Amino acid sequence: SQQGEEDPQALSIQEGENATMNCSYKTSINNLQWYRQNSGRGLVHLILIRSNEREKHSGRLRVTLDTSKKSSSLLITASRAADTASYFCPKTSGSRLTFGEGTQLTVNP
Amino acid sequence: EPEVTQTPSHQVTQMGQEVILRCVPISNHLYFYWYRQILGQKVEFLVSFYNNEISEKSEIFDDQFSVERPDGSNFTLKIRSTKLEDSAMYFCASMRGYSNQPQHFGDGTRLSIL
Repeated sequence: SQQGEEDPQALSIQEGENATMNCSYKTSINNLQWYRQNSGRGLVHLILIRSNEREKHSGRLRVTLDTSKKSSSLLITASRAADTASYFCPKTSGSRLTFGEGTQLTVNP
Repeated sequence: EPEVTQTPSHQVTQMGQEVILRCVPISNHLYFYWYRQILGQKVEFLVSFYNNEISEKSEIFDDQFSVERPDGSNFTLKIRSTKLEDSAMYFCASMRGYSNQPQHFGDGTRLSIL
């Protein structure tokens, strides 16, 4: 299965605002995962949503999945400066992950 | 919470030298991976490892690269004769099972080839 590309490429918001980023994919999936990478650091797994789920929450994160549109969105509520990072929904082929450019989120204090 | 740990955090090596990057995956995980990220570029898959053998490798993972799980806890990436273009962050990851599981990444080793 494959997953997709992140949109927008860059997003700049004020602290306290919500941030929404999107992911589109082309073929059927078993699950879709979101990861975060702070500058110069490793990737942190944020959330995994299975193909039979439509929405999932984890703290300030909300992920939706629309399999009919082959898209997912990641919402970060009440953003903080520490949320500044790149966010990815990597393609999955077997167990290998293929990362795109991601969405670079900047949260301004 | 269990973590993937990588050592060293920064390795500086002369071109042509061998380098070994070390990783300790999460203890009950069965699948192991190496990825790399050249400065300013995307994270790229190198190799996956399961049941003591390579299960998949990318075109980057040529004969200069090898992986090993020498003692049931460590997972190593060896670059036999380093080139300038091997300079990158190298990330190790592990995964508990195959189906619907996330990969857990270490903080990486920054490899600088002089």
